[in-house]
Amino acid sequence: DSGVTQTPKHLITATGQRVTLRCSPRSGDLSVYWYQQSLDQGLQFLIQYYNGEERAKGNILERFSAQQFPDLHSELNLSSLELGDSALYFCASSGGSFENTEAFFGQGTRLTVV
Amino acid sequence: AQSVTQLDSHVSVSEGTPVLLRCNYSSSYSPSLFWYVQHPNKGLQLLLKYTSAATLVKGINGFEAEFKKSETSFHLTKPSAHMSDAAEYFCVVSDGGHDMRFGAGTRLTVKP
Repeated sequence: DSGVTQTPKHLITATGQRVTLRCSPRSGDLSVYWYQQSLDQGLQFLIQYYNGEERAKGNILERFSAQQFPDLHSELNLSSLELGDSALYFCASSGGSFENTEAFFGQGTRLTVV
Repeated sequence: AQSVTQLDSHVSVSEGTPVLLRCNYSSSYSPSLFWYVQHPNKGLQLLLKYTSAATLVKGINGFEAEFKKSETSFHLTKPSAHMSDAAEYFCVVSDGGHDMRFGAGTRLTVKP
């Protein structure tokens, strides 16, 4: 158990809909990362938050947004969903010091858009 | 800017034979380097990490990796493959600023 909790584990929704994925980081970790993993694109970095502030942005679509709340949990919002958004979405967290930079991953949320 | 290249997208070995998964990195700083493993339908699990201490790093499940600065490499090895090692392996570089870059992954197949 990595200590990172993602909910829900599975999500099936229709095209055009909006969903919210939730991530609770390990206790004490300040950074949260979101990744998308699909068969054709591999593991893609979407966005990183550090202590409530956006820290880095990757290949995140404009239809997607994220935020990190004061209690450090994070949500990834996906809107106007398309079939191609079907993927495994991972959240990871890491600590606030240079010595503690490794990321710990949740089990992922499998999103299926039909 | 930092980046990482995994030189093989797929490696196939027989059970009991050595495993070598190759990774080259590029970084402007003294990097931290990691190997993660992902079993089917599971999250990524940290195998081992290098953070400027010993250049030979031992990880879980008998894996180890050697940091070679002159070759900018961080190859993952295991003396004897087990069926349970079949998975996807990711090499990751970080400059310590919470900016992690993942390789494309190497799928390891272990034949009986």
